[in-house]
Amino acid sequence: QKEVEQNSGPLSVPEGAIASLNCTYSDRGSQSFFWYRQYSGKSPELIMSIYSNGDKEDGRFTAQLNKASQYVSLLIRDSQPSDSATYLCAVPYLPGAQKLVFGQGTRLTINP
Amino acid sequence: SQTIHQWPATLVQPVGSPLSLECTVEGTSNPNLYWYRQAAGRGLQLLFYSVGIGQISSEVPQNLSASRPQDRQFILSSKKLLLSDSGFYLCAWNSGQNTEAFFGQGTRLTVV
Repeated sequence: QKEVEQNSGPLSVPEGAIASLNCTYSDRGSQSFFWYRQYSGKSPELIMSIYSNGDKEDGRFTAQLNKASQYVSLLIRDSQPSDSATYLCAVPYLPGAQKLVFGQGTRLTINP
Repeated sequence: SQTIHQWPATLVQPVGSPLSLECTVEGTSNPNLYWYRQAAGRGLQLLFYSVGIGQISSEVPQNLSASRPQDRQFILSSKKLLLSDSGFYLCAWNSGQNTEAFFGQGTRLTVV
């Protein structure tokens, strides 16, 4: 099993709809989880961090964490064409949680 | 505030030539440092990470090496480049365990 897995997509969502992105991880002891957005040809930028079970909201973005099921998701409400990008999930791995591992990313396209 | 510098932005090198990519971080001390490679349309592959001067963990055995001669300097090297070394190389830093990472602008390397 890969350390961090994402559906590579592409995921196509109409403008104004909710985009749902999912990520699973293999290390049950992982404590922090990050979502990054990467535009084509650019470096990834952090958009959300989540550490506790449940939901964390920031503007149009909501991160959801379920440690028992070992998955973390990202919801984007009122999707805009500017949200079209690749979204990467990242998890620090034990022991030491110094090794930051990324999933392969999900390419999201918002259709006007 | 902390900043990360990575250069050059683009590089075209012939097969068999050496490589040296440099990354420096400002505004923090004792950061964790990372080198990732991203092939076209793919996720981030962790190549090396370092938790301190002279401490390098290698994730993927290949013809690349990394060094950390100073606290905030991380260098990626190769003695002889292969065609398969082409890709987008990203340097990143974070402040410790379970913390989010921040990326440099990346270096797009094409081996010809």
